[in-house]
Amino acid sequence: SQKIEQNSEALNIQEGKTATLTCNYTNYSPAYLQWYRQDPGRGPVFLLLIRENEKEKRKERLKVTFDTTLKQSLFHITASQPADSATYLCAPLSGGYNKLIFGAGTRLAVHP
Amino acid sequence: EPEVTQTPSHQVTQMGQEVILRCVPISNHLYFYWYRQILGQKVEFLVSFYNNEISEKSEIFDDQFSVERPDGSNFTLKIRSTKLEDSAMYFCASRVNTEAFFGQGTRLTVV
Repeated sequence: SQKIEQNSEALNIQEGKTATLTCNYTNYSPAYLQWYRQDPGRGPVFLLLIRENEKEKRKERLKVTFDTTLKQSLFHITASQPADSATYLCAPLSGGYNKLIFGAGTRLAVHP
Repeated sequence: EPEVTQTPSHQVTQMGQEVILRCVPISNHLYFYWYRQILGQKVEFLVSFYNNEISEKSEIFDDQFSVERPDGSNFTLKIRSTKLEDSAMYFCASRVNTEAFFGQGTRLTVV
């Protein structure tokens, strides 16, 4: 069955450092992979999408990589700030994109 | 900026009662979703809806649940005979392309 794995342990980093979050998937051949941010008690918010033929995508301080051989995506936040503290969810998308499934998410805590 | 709106923000119901959670997706969107998030757990897919019918559903989405798009704007999730374990945050989402937009959720408490 399809599986999406994200680090279940919280990631604690110092302000100004780069945060790197991992998303691994199995039994998928996604055409896209999305990353979302979720704050406590609120709905997920879309951040970035990367296509299977793209190795890397950037948006401001965010960078996503997508390795379809390793079946892995890495999500980087450079120059992290306490406001970046949240849970980050990945969602590989395939087929007709009707089943948008999220990983369990990784909680990021950025300390001043 | 267009947004997905959900009502009510909080619903308390007696076990065994039926509840209807309401969502107004973004107007030109074509795909609609319901998700559930039990406190402290992951966002779980329940159902997707396209072209006035269910396109995918998860194992969670059993006969207790139903969805409807009764008119051109609303998208509802009905939970029949609620159980204590149905207590969770329920999110509606919609999309037209690949980016999904989520509502702020309805917190359902079954007592």
